[in-house]
Amino acid sequence: GENVEQHPSTLSVQEGDSAVIKCTYSDSASNYFPWYKQELGKRPQLIIDIRSNVGEKKDQRIAVTLNKTAKHFSLHITETQPEDSAVYFCAAYQGAQKLVFGQGTRLTINP
Amino acid sequence: KAGVTQTPRYLIKTRGQQVTLSCSPISGHRSVSWYQQTPGQGLQFLFEYFSETQRNKGNFPGRFSGRQFSNSRSEMNVSTLELGDSALYLCASMLSGPSSYNEQFFGPGTRLTVL
Repeated sequence: GENVEQHPSTLSVQEGDSAVIKCTYSDSASNYFPWYKQELGKRPQLIIDIRSNVGEKKDQRIAVTLNKTAKHFSLHITETQPEDSAVYFCAAYQGAQKLVFGQGTRLTINP
Repeated sequence: KAGVTQTPRYLIKTRGQQVTLSCSPISGHRSVSWYQQTPGQGLQFLFEYFSETQRNKGNFPGRFSGRQFSNSRSEMNVSTLELGDSALYLCASMLSGPSSYNEQFFGPGTRLTVL
């Protein structure tokens, strides 16, 4: 089955700097890769996603890149702000209605 | 459109008891997935229901079961509760097209504490 590894588990950056979170997946049949943000005490919310026929997608300060050959994808947050502090989860969808999540990255933005 | 709702929001049980959690998906969504979230294990997939049928399941023991009703509402049951079952249980609904993946919308979760 699918396995998703996410790194780092914790990340601390200065406000205004960039943050990068990386994930690798094991199943080459995976074709959809969402990223979720979960603030403390709240539900996970989708922030960006990418499909396997696209190499990069950007939405304002957030971007995701996908390398199908290497089976890894990354989340990039630029010009970080305090409200970006949260736990971020990557996930991979195999097409069997099963979404497999990474272990999560706790991102802290220091003022 | 109302979001995904879960009841109850908090639950305290003792070992050996059983519990039923409920999830109401977004109107029109026919797929409901359940996840267990713990600090050490992250988000673990339990099972997914579509049109009252379980389409996929994760690697949890048979004590964890679920069902879906004709109105797409879903329930999850855990029997013979163990201390390790203490977790946040999240459900997520999805429109679920025939061949492509749609965004999953999460509910607020049910916080289960087993004493």
